[in-house]
Order: sequence, then structure tokens, then C-alpha cells
Amino acid sequence: SQQGEEDPQALSIQEGENATMNCSYKTSINNLQWYRQNSGRGLVHLILIRSNEREKHSGRLRVTLDTSKKSSSLLITASRAADTASYFCASTARNNRLAFGKGNQVVVIP
Amino acid sequence: AAGVIQSPRHLIKEKRETATLKCYPIPRHDTVYWYQQGPGQDPQFLISFYEKMQSDKGSIPDRFSAQQFSDYHSELNMSSLELGDSALYFCASSLARPGSPLHFGNGTRLTVT
Repeated sequence: SQQGEEDPQALSIQEGENATMNCSYKTSINNLQWYRQNSGRGLVHLILIRSNEREKHSGRLRVTLDTSKKSSSLLITASRAADTASYFCASTARNNRLAFGKGNQVVVIP
Repeated sequence: AAGVIQSPRHLIKEKRETATLKCYPIPRHDTVYWYQQGPGQDPQFLISFYEKMQSDKGSIPDRFSAQQFSDYHSELNMSSLELGDSALYFCASSLARPGSPLHFGNGTRLTVT
């Protein structure tokens, strides 16, 4: 499988709650990115964290990176129904190729 | 802002037929990628082009080929289609700087019957 693997679980939460999903990868990375995909649509870039960063924020998103454990987490705070989607982490390999992990489906119930 | 345009949006073919998917990258993006995503699967990298030259190759079957043209649009050609080729095919474009985010099109859903 590709490096960049999310915990294979679907998450169902109430609107306003926080959603956390995790990702692990196998090899050294230059950076790790998170993408979001609505059903049957293209992936949308959310946030990038470089290998020398430990935490990054963007609006309601918070990403952490632990290179010693080869893991990352994505936190969505104050979730909204519109956050319902699948979320993928992807590590950057050579030639800027993104290696995606399996998506983590999040359902936010209004 | 202009996004990545893919056509067609849906395509239905029979086994052993051929299919051609088209991709128009964001203007001034110099790199184009093709990904295949099976039902419930993560996107799998197929091939990429930088400045119209193939730059990287992933798990692309020999039955598939791709190219990037002088106007930077790209085409993925698929021959001798098999049932297992049914998937979403995404094109993405980016700048060639390390860590540049990929901008994805909405994909072509190929169904092989």
C-alpha cells in the first residue's frame, strides 16, 4: 500500500463537535499534505506541513506531525455539515509525486 | 480562478474498446499528473509530465499511454479496456516547486461493461 495511511475508520459526529483523524506513513518525507474529497469529486488541498514543522493551523484546521512516530493528525474544530467528506493524507515522494493513503470518511450530522 | 478541466465527465465503454481522457491544466502550471481511483480506494498515481516531457511513472498498465501537448493539455489513452479499469480518473496540475499543492479536476468516471 502507499505510504500515508489513515486509521481506517469512518467518523460520525454532531455539528459543532471536533473531528480528529490520524495518518501514519512508512518512509522519510519532505512534507505531508491533507486533501479533502467530496463524494465522486476531485480532491481539494487543505494544508501542508513540512517535515521540520510540528504543528500548523489554517482556519478551523490543525495539523500535527510527529516524524519520530511517522504520524500526523488532522483536527477539524467546530465541525459543520459541509465538512462531510473523505479526508486523505499524502506524503510527498520524489518528483513531487503524492502517495495517498486510504481516506477517512467523516459525516457531520446537522 | 481557472481550475483543472477534465473531459468527458462520464464515459461508458465496452471491454476491449479504447478510451481517451482529456485534461486542461491550470494556466502556467508546468506539471500534470494522472491518478486512478477505484471505488472506495485511495488515488493511485499513474504518470506525470513536466513541461510536456514524462517526468515520473507509477502503476500505469502497458495498455495505457499518455502525453502532454504543446498547449499543455494532456490526454490519457486507454486501450483493450478491462472491467477492472472502471474507476475515477483524475488529472491534477501544479507548479514544479517541491511541496506545491496539486490542483485536481473533477475527474472522469469510466465505466467498462
